[in-house]
Amino acid sequence: DVKVTQSSRYLVKRTGEKVFLECVQDMDHENMFWYRQDPGLGLRLIYFSYDVKMKEKGDIPEGYSVSREKKERFSLILESASTNQTSMYLCASRLPSSYNEQFFGPGTRLTVL
Amino acid sequence: RKEVEQDPGPFNVPEGATVAFNCTYSNSASQSFFWYRQDCRKEPKLLMSVYSSGNEDGRFTAQLNRASQYISLLIRDSKLSDSATYLCVVNPGGNQFYFGTGTSLTVIP
Repeated sequence: DVKVTQSSRYLVKRTGEKVFLECVQDMDHENMFWYRQDPGLGLRLIYFSYDVKMKEKGDIPEGYSVSREKKERFSLILESASTNQTSMYLCASRLPSSYNEQFFGPGTRLTVL
Repeated sequence: RKEVEQDPGPFNVPEGATVAFNCTYSNSASQSFFWYRQDCRKEPKLLMSVYSSGNEDGRFTAQLNRASQYISLLIRDSKLSDSATYLCVVNPGGNQFYFGTGTSLTVIP
């Protein structure tokens, strides 16, 4: 069974803080993704990585950066958290190829005060 | 125009009913299609992939209509445990996936 884990289920931070969200998958998947999910907007792609040290911007990368130093780990960094980054953050992984599903982690609900 | 559009509902149906959801997509070159289920405060989980010929898994049937650019999900004999949000997902190729905003289903005893 594929397992995707995220470092925290709930996180509360203050405006201006640097925030690290960690994601780890145990199935040797090349592709990893970071999404945020907001009511009425669905899931929106922030960044994805197609292999170690490889990354590409998604639809809403502003205010975020990512790091993928090891295949199993994909980190999302909020350089200076703002209140509009309060959201549910979901990590996913999959094998390459269009027909392969994504497996999601349990999500991190981040609140920025 | 949004890449993927779904009717948000909510759909409130009695147990045993049949319910159908549709999802339209804008990119005619889209290659793969999925239905995910998401329970409240949980992550999305794959319900089924959608194949060109249509496919069935127990009480669930998924269909793809490329000419009209929509996919559908039919749930027969609804159970209380089917209550969830159903997300339509379209992959136009490569690593980009587009998610609908979800359709909320509540099955009522």
